[in-house]
Amino acid sequence: AQSVAQPEDQVNVAEGNPLTVKCTYSVSGNPYLFWYVQYPNRGLQFLLKYITGDNLVKGSYGFEAEFNKSQTSFHLKKPSALVSDSALYFCAVRDMTGTYKYIFGTGTRLKVLA
Amino acid sequence: DSGVTQTPKHLITATGQRVTLRCSPRSGDLSVYWYQQSLDQGLQFLIQYYNGEERAKGNILERFSAQQFPDLHSELNLSSLELGDSALYFCASSVDGGGKNIQYFGAGTRLSVL
Repeated sequence: AQSVAQPEDQVNVAEGNPLTVKCTYSVSGNPYLFWYVQYPNRGLQFLLKYITGDNLVKGSYGFEAEFNKSQTSFHLKKPSALVSDSALYFCAVRDMTGTYKYIFGTGTRLKVLA
Repeated sequence: DSGVTQTPKHLITATGQRVTLRCSPRSGDLSVYWYQQSLDQGLQFLIQYYNGEERAKGNILERFSAQQFPDLHSELNLSSLELGDSALYFCASSVDGGGKNIQYFGAGTRLSVL
């Protein structure tokens, strides 16, 4: 079955330290990959996407993600975390083999400690 | 402000009832997406429309239906409501329906079924 896994419900990191939020997927073909962020009582905001090309994708607010086809992973990273990065992060995949469904992970709550 | 407008912001209703959620996409966007976010099931993709036509279907129940009108606004109809339908319903829009473009999310409609 198609799925997206975000293995950590919560990630805590100290301000100024690098952060990683993990995502792996199980979708056939060459899916499109996305990261979104959700702040309290708000809708989702787009961070970055991988469609094709360079495996390292740069996005908004200094975030980047690395696509690894062999490990079917798309981990979100940032070199230096800010307290304002604290939010709920979702990894999503669009199946491009026929259904064109979007599949979201369960979300990872990032807490950046001052 | 994403430019996507959802009404109403909050809706309280009883089991067995029917409600309609409305979404106005960003100016120029042809594609509309509907999502359900609940504590039980996380973020679920329901359905996508592109220029009035259904483009992709996700985990949408038979009791739910949607449509996109000629002026590109969309409505999500939920009928025979159950307690488990209580959730936050998001609409998003994008320029086209191919999946490469950014989705912009509205602030959501919070549905409470009592």
